[in-house]
Amino acid sequence: AQSVTQLGSHVSVSEGALVLLRCNYSSSVPPYLFWYVQYPNQGLQLLLKYTTGATLVKGINGFEAEFKKSETSFHLTKPSAHMSDAAEYFCAVSSQNTGNQFYFGTGTSLTVIP
Amino acid sequence: EPEVTQTPSHQVTQMGQEVILRCVPISNHLYFYWYRQILGQKVEFLVSFYNNEISEKSEIFDDQFSVERPDGSNFTLKIRSTKLEDSAMYFCASSEYGGIINQPQHFGDGTRLSIL
Repeated sequence: AQSVTQLGSHVSVSEGALVLLRCNYSSSVPPYLFWYVQYPNQGLQLLLKYTTGATLVKGINGFEAEFKKSETSFHLTKPSAHMSDAAEYFCAVSSQNTGNQFYFGTGTSLTVIP
Repeated sequence: EPEVTQTPSHQVTQMGQEVILRCVPISNHLYFYWYRQILGQKVEFLVSFYNNEISEKSEIFDDQFSVERPDGSNFTLKIRSTKLEDSAMYFCASSEYGGIINQPQHFGDGTRLSIL
């Protein structure tokens, strides 16, 4: 079975500060890991994904995430928050064994304080 | 940039009524998906569709649900007899290729379904 846990349903950061959104996964097989962003009243947009290869993955809008197998983590970071980063962020896991299914986390709402 | 479009943006329906949610995937995409998100909860996979048939479905996708691609452009989700617990945001997605590494990266803005 696969699952994702996102610690912190709400995260607030000041503009210009580091953004850190946590994601831990559970998977009995090598996972494929994803971060999606959802702006208000919009659909999900892929930020970045890890499938194989380099464990530090860079995505759009300056975000990056690092796959750490020993910690079963895939935390999302951005060095300097921008007001436009305010959104809901979802971590998701999949694998070769789960076909086309994603397993999403419950999401983290990011607020950026001016 | 091509987009997945969904209509309507908000649908209000009486319990027990049938509802059809519509999606226009990106034109050269071959794989189509429906997800739902109950308010405050995680996004859940419902079904994937390829070559005019369902390729996978979750346990949520019971006999009340059906999908079809009636005319080569639209991709619809039908709920035959709606229940209160069907109230959710429903997202359509499409991808050019299937398989895990090429997971859907193009989601529509969603249809908010409210069952009264």
